[in-house]
Amino acid sequence: EVQLVESGGGLIQPGGSLRLSCAASGFSVSANYMNWVRQAPGKGLEWVSVIHSGGTSHYADSVQGRFTISRDTSTNTLYLQMNSLRADDTAVYYCARDLGTAVRGFDLWGQGTLVTVSS
Amino acid sequence: EIVMTQSPASLSVSPGEGATLSCRASQTVSNNLAWYQQKSGQAPRLLIYDASLRATGIPARFSGSGSGTEFTLTISSLQSEDFAIYYCQHYNQWPLTFGQGTRLEIK
Repeated sequence: EVQLVESGGGLIQPGGSLRLSCAASGFSVSANYMNWVRQAPGKGLEWVSVIHSGGTSHYADSVQGRFTISRDTSTNTLYLQMNSLRADDTAVYYCARDLGTAVRGFDLWGQGTLVTVSS
Repeated sequence: EIVMTQSPASLSVSPGEGATLSCRASQTVSNNLAWYQQKSGQAPRLLIYDASLRATGIPARFSGSGSGTEFTLTISSLQSEDFAIYYCQHYNQWPLTFGQGTRLEIK
């Protein structure tokens, strides 16, 4: 079955770090552009980061320098390392696969993992 | 950063009627635009990509149009399962951005 399953969310204090994981099955995370998208409680969608099939990455300005996207082809898992977390990083974090080998829309999403940044 | 503005913010429509949702980009995004549907407590679902192409499994009552800075999602003959929040997203350049969403409600 083709699916994405996120894990690693939880309650973390401001300034702390957390690593999110997204386990993929049924396809290779290195074959598609892979993304993280977040949604603050009651708010809209915010794109966070992408890693290209070639390994290049891009970030939203709001997380640049604090978050790092990566992947492990041996375990077929996407990661998001989040450092210096702030209250406004509180959100459900989704991993999402791009439709193809370039950006054309996200056709597969995980169920999301909730990150709460609070003291 | 390209700002995506959706209108209206909310729309009340009766089942069986049609609905037209709009999305405007602050600068041209060519046809690099997608539409998503999100129901409460669920992940978004891709409806339309490349402004007018339906994603796999999406019913023909969903259609997208537009290019440049003005885009439209049209839903003909609304079904009960279509009442949700709809987002547009451009992918013309980094960073990608989403619109703020249009909530489609039952009248």
